[in-house]
Amino acid sequence: SQTIHQWPATLVQPVGSPLSLECTVEGTSNPNLYWYRQAAGRGLQLLFYSIGIGQISSEVPQNLSASRPQDRQFILSSKKLLLSDSGFYLCAWKVKSNTGELFFGEGSRLTVL
Amino acid sequence: DQQVKQNSPSLSVQEGRISILNCDYTNSMFDYFLWYKKYPAEGPTFLISISSIKDKNEDGRFTVFLNKSAKHLSLHIVPSQPGDSAVYFCAAGLRNSGNTPLVFGKGTRLSVIA
Repeated sequence: SQTIHQWPATLVQPVGSPLSLECTVEGTSNPNLYWYRQAAGRGLQLLFYSIGIGQISSEVPQNLSASRPQDRQFILSSKKLLLSDSGFYLCAWKVKSNTGELFFGEGSRLTVL
Repeated sequence: DQQVKQNSPSLSVQEGRISILNCDYTNSMFDYFLWYKKYPAEGPTFLISISSIKDKNEDGRFTVFLNKSAKHLSLHIVPSQPGDSAVYFCAAGLRNSGNTPLVFGKGTRLSVIA
């Protein structure tokens, strides 16, 4: 069966510090991968998605970047965090041929102070 | 421009009664719709979906209705239970378009009162 894990689960970082959130998927190959953010009053906001290794699409201009160094690994990064980067970050995956169901990870709570 | 709208941020329902969560969309190209349920500090989990070729899909206590002409869908939960208290997200996508991301609404927080 397929599983998705992301870490760390909770992170408290000072403004200006770097960020790295990691996500891995097991039990499937060549998935589409996604990073979402849930911020208060804004629902699930798509940040990045990837259809293959090294292929990243950015949906919202921001202080963050994403990379996909391996087929089932998706990393969300920032060089210098802003207060506005605080939120609940969710990684998700989907089979390309599937009609659309996304499978989400457990989420990572980031607080920038 | 919000393509998927959930205009009610919150909803309170008595246990045993029906919960109705609504969702509107603007893009007529969407042909596949999903509902996700999310508890605090957890990732959303898939609940139920419907294709545009149907107007109703039922799974146990959960039924989704689709009105294509009105670009409106709704999720009915009956009977509602306290464990249904969560945030519900509506999402829309393009069937068989594996690379197009789903578009989510802002969510509706459902509280089922015992």
